[in-house]
Amino acid sequence: DTGVSQNPRHKITKRGQNVTFRCDPISEHNRLYWYRQTLGQGPEFLTYFQNEAQLEKSRLLSDRFSAERPKGSFSTLEIQRTEQGDSAMYLCASSFPMGVLSPEQYFGPGTRLTVT
Amino acid sequence: AQTVTQSQPEMSVQEAETVTLSCTYDTSESDYYLFWYKQPPSRQMILVIRQEAYKQQNATENRFSVNFQKAAKSFSLKISDSQLGDAAMYFCAYRSELVSGGTSYGKLTFGQGTILTVHP
Repeated sequence: DTGVSQNPRHKITKRGQNVTFRCDPISEHNRLYWYRQTLGQGPEFLTYFQNEAQLEKSRLLSDRFSAERPKGSFSTLEIQRTEQGDSAMYLCASSFPMGVLSPEQYFGPGTRLTVT
Repeated sequence: AQTVTQSQPEMSVQEAETVTLSCTYDTSESDYYLFWYKQPPSRQMILVIRQEAYKQQNATENRFSVNFQKAAKSFSLKISDSQLGDAAMYFCAYRSELVSGGTSYGKLTFGQGTILTVHP
């Protein structure tokens, strides 16, 4: 297992366009998190999946954002009608179930979105 | 809601010297985890060290150790024998162990980060 992977690594889009990012977690991990990180800041939580169920969403996740995790494997994060303020690094992380083994979250390399 | 504060936007250290990065947090919970993550430039975030709040003993991982003061809600990271490869942005993060409705979601709350520069 090579860790958490994310695609694409970079995305440049024009304002108003829709974009979709993909995250492939570590295969043994049933927990998957999305975070957003703006330049020079710490990541901020967006949403959480346990298997295929989306159990928590941040207030940061406006109606233009939607996330899915079909069959509890990979996850996608879609942003509709992108705005310049959506420009950020979108990070995916995965972890073992709570109370099982180590509690750490393992991060992917991120997808850097630039909205022009 | 929990908050994490890193009051040092930037720190620098000479190679082979020791540096300490500060972190404070605010919580009303008694059971939680604290982490230090490292994010090198244009590279992904990796875990440096973790501390369980119920453990009084400070965690250590090779050259990295923490000073965990639960009552003061302080969690500093000490890097000994600094190396050029230690240069990165360091984030302190908090994870609740609070069980809500039988489930604990485990999201991380991060500080603002500290940029560490290592001089040869």
